Amino acid sequence: AQSVAQPEDQVNVAEGNPLTVKCTYSVSGNPYLFWYVQYPNRGLQFLLKYITGDNLVKGSYGFEAEFNKSQTSFHLKKPSALVSDSALYFCAVRAGTGANNLFFGTGTRLTVIP
Amino acid sequence: EAGVAQSPRYKIIEKRQSVAFWCNPISGHATLYWYQQILGQGPKLLIQFQNNGVVDDSQLPKDRFSAERLKGVDSTLKIQPAKLEDSAVYLCASSPIWGRYNEQFFGPGTRLTVL
Repeated sequence: AQSVAQPEDQVNVAEGNPLTVKCTYSVSGNPYLFWYVQYPNRGLQFLLKYITGDNLVKGSYGFEAEFNKSQTSFHLKKPSALVSDSALYFCAVRAGTGANNLFFGTGTRLTVIP
Repeated sequence: EAGVAQSPRYKIIEKRQSVAFWCNPISGHATLYWYQQILGQGPKLLIQFQNNGVVDDSQLPKDRFSAERLKGVDSTLKIQPAKLEDSAVYLCASSPIWGRYNEQFFGPGTRLTVL
């Protein structure tokens, strides 16, 4: 069975500091991993994805994520947080074979403090 | 490029009433998804269409939920009759082609409150 865990419901970080939002996954076969961001009263927006290749993936708005197969993790990172990064972040996984469903984590609320 | 459109944005109904949601995907996107997002949870897939055919509806409560995409473009999701536990945001998403590595483009959602 596929699953995603986002162990932190809330992450607070000071503006200008680096941020990390954690994600671990469980899936049969090779994983396809995604990060989405949700702003209030808006749908989810795609940030980045890992399919294959380089373990460090760069995405929108200066975000990046590192795929770690041995730790089954896909943490989202940004070197310098902005107040405008405050939002709800979702990690999602899709298996490389079998069911095609995209499974989402429960989300992490990021608050960047001015 | 216009995004995924959904209507209405908000709906309040009494339990046992019926409700319908509409979604218009990004032009040319063959794959369309409906998700249910309950407060405090991540989105959960209800149904997936490829053109006008159903690819996966294993998570759709078929005794009360139905969905269609008759012409392979826009889609409607219906709940009949609604229960209190159906209160959630219903998200529609689309992607250009069917593929495990494709990201999905989400609409703003319809927030349903069942009283």
